[in-house]
Amino acid sequence: DSGVTQTPKHLITATGQRVTLRCSPRSGDLSVYWYQQSLDQGLQFLIQYYNGEERAKGNILERFSAQQFPDLHSELNLSSLELGDSALYFCASSVGTREEETQYFGPGTRLLVL
Amino acid sequence: GNSVTQMEGPVTLSEEAFLTINCTYTATGYPSLFWYVQYPGEGLQLLLKATKADDKGSNKGFEATYRKETTSFHLEKGSVQVSDSAVYFCALSNSGYALNFGKGTSLLVTP
Repeated sequence: DSGVTQTPKHLITATGQRVTLRCSPRSGDLSVYWYQQSLDQGLQFLIQYYNGEERAKGNILERFSAQQFPDLHSELNLSSLELGDSALYFCASSVGTREEETQYFGPGTRLLVL
Repeated sequence: GNSVTQMEGPVTLSEEAFLTINCTYTATGYPSLFWYVQYPGEGLQLLLKATKADDKGSNKGFEATYRKETTSFHLEKGSVQVSDSAVYFCALSNSGYALNFGKGTSLLVTP
């Protein structure tokens, strides 16, 4: 158990819909990262937050947005969903922002768009 | 930019065989290097890491040495077990930003 929790574990929805994925980091971790894992793209970084502020953006679509709340949990919002958004979405957390810090991954949310 | 290239799988080995999974990287400066493992149906777990040149990371019988001269971080284990069957990801972190992952190498160990 990494200490990072993600809900829900599975999500099935239809094209055009909007969903929210939730992540609680390990106690004491200030950085939260979101990654997407798909068969064709592999593991892709989406976005990073540090202590409530956006710190870095990766390959995140404009239809996707995220935020980190004062209690440090984070939410990833996916809207106008398309079939190609079906993937495993991981949240990870680390203490701060130093490159040598370990990122601890949650169990993921599996999203299926029908 | 940063990138990681690792050998394509799947790799199939018999129990107690020697394992090597190659990983090379491209990065500016001095990144930190990681190996993560993903067991079926689970999230990623850190297997080992190295933060500077010539460092050796080790855990559960797995080892990898940070070779700056060859920009490599190959994963090795002397004697694999069936329970090592998983997908292994090489990754780097540069300047405290997100991890750049390789495509992953699937390992199947047969009894």
